[in-house]
Amino acid sequence: GAVVSQHPSRVICKSGTSVKIECRSLDFQATTMFWYRQFPKQSLMLMATSNEGSKATYEQGVEKDKFLINHASLTLSTLTVTSAHPEDSSFYICSARQGGYGYTFGSGTRLTVV
Amino acid sequence: EDKVVQSPLSLVVHEGDTVTLNCSYEVTNFRSLLWYKQEKKAPTFLFMLTSSGIEKKSGRLSSILDKKELFSILNITATQTGDSAVYLCAVNQDSNSGYALNFGKGTSLLVTP
Repeated sequence: GAVVSQHPSRVICKSGTSVKIECRSLDFQATTMFWYRQFPKQSLMLMATSNEGSKATYEQGVEKDKFLINHASLTLSTLTVTSAHPEDSSFYICSARQGGYGYTFGSGTRLTVV
Repeated sequence: EDKVVQSPLSLVVHEGDTVTLNCSYEVTNFRSLLWYKQEKKAPTFLFMLTSSGIEKKSGRLSSILDKKELFSILNITATQTGDSAVYLCAVNQDSNSGYALNFGKGTSLLVTP
């Protein structure tokens, strides 16, 4: 079946630094990828929709200058958390749409900012 | 405002019990409803429902959608401790977000031995 590889799975960084998270579709082309974040005991909240070759669409309340999304190819989307702060600590998950109704999730990245 | 509401938020049962998880939704431009199981990492896909009244079944799990009443249920029979997880309901809709999934808060299920 379709696989989305996400890494790193876990990262700890210092406050003020930037962190890049990669999501790669391994055996299919993903023209659209979605980025979610999940706080403890909360559901997945959509942050942005990433479209290959165009600018990402951000959800209301998500700072596009802080969460930079790049979808430069049909198999790779990246999320960069810039100038990370402790409140950015969360679980970030990407999801790729395969066409039709199918979705595949990456394994998630747990970000801890200290 | 679009919303997906799951109930109960948490549930504790004994092994062998049958559970029913609920998901109601109010969204525009509905396309499908999906159920996921989330343990410690990313959600794993269970079911996708697009048509009313057609039960989908996989082993001890089954699910059905009612598009008139705008809800879905997920049933788990003869529960096992391995069923302990958060079960997420998500609705796929045509939107400016390009078919993104709108998730409910989830139902946290704990199955005790």
